[in-house]
Amino acid sequence: DSGVTQTPKHLITATGQRVTLRCSPRSGDLSVYWYQQSLDQGLQFLIQYYNGEERAKGNILERFSAQQFPDLHSELNLSSLELGDSALYFCASDDGTGVTEAFFGQGTRLTVV
Amino acid sequence: GESVGLHLPTLSVQEGDNSIINCAYSNSASDYFIWYKQESGKGPQFIIDIRSNMDKRQGQRVTVLLNKTVKHLSLQIAATQPGDSAVYFCAETAPDGGYSTLTFGKGTMLLVSP
Repeated sequence: DSGVTQTPKHLITATGQRVTLRCSPRSGDLSVYWYQQSLDQGLQFLIQYYNGEERAKGNILERFSAQQFPDLHSELNLSSLELGDSALYFCASDDGTGVTEAFFGQGTRLTVV
Repeated sequence: GESVGLHLPTLSVQEGDNSIINCAYSNSASDYFIWYKQESGKGPQFIIDIRSNMDKRQGQRVTVLLNKTVKHLSLQIAATQPGDSAVYFCAETAPDGGYSTLTFGKGTMLLVSP
């Protein structure tokens, strides 16, 4: 167990809908990273938050947004969903110093039908 | 569990054999490399890392070799066990980059037969 908790584990929704994925970082970690993993693209960095503020942005679509709350949990919001958004979404956390390793959660499997 | 390895290159070995998984990285400026293990239904798990000022680093049953000349990384697993069966992938990052700048390879599936 990495200590990073993601919910839900599985999500099935229709095209055009909006979903929210949740991540609770390891105790003490201030930084949260979101990644998308698809069969053809591999792991792609989406966005990083540190202590409630956005720190880095990767290949995140405009239809996607995220936030980190005062209790440090984070949510990834995916809207106007398309079939191609079907993927595994992972959250990882670390202390934000760039020195310690990041730990990944077990992921949320999103299926858009 | 979920599979992320349906279209990945596969390495099949017998229990007790040594395994070598290779990775070609893309950015000659990358200076930090990580190997991850991902079991079905789980998130990536850190195995071992290496910085570009080294060409070899050893862990418990694992060794990472770095050849900067040809931009090649390899992971050697000694005495491979069935529990080592997973997808393995490398990641690279540029100088001063953190986890937000990691570029991940597509991965290799390792299958270990008892």
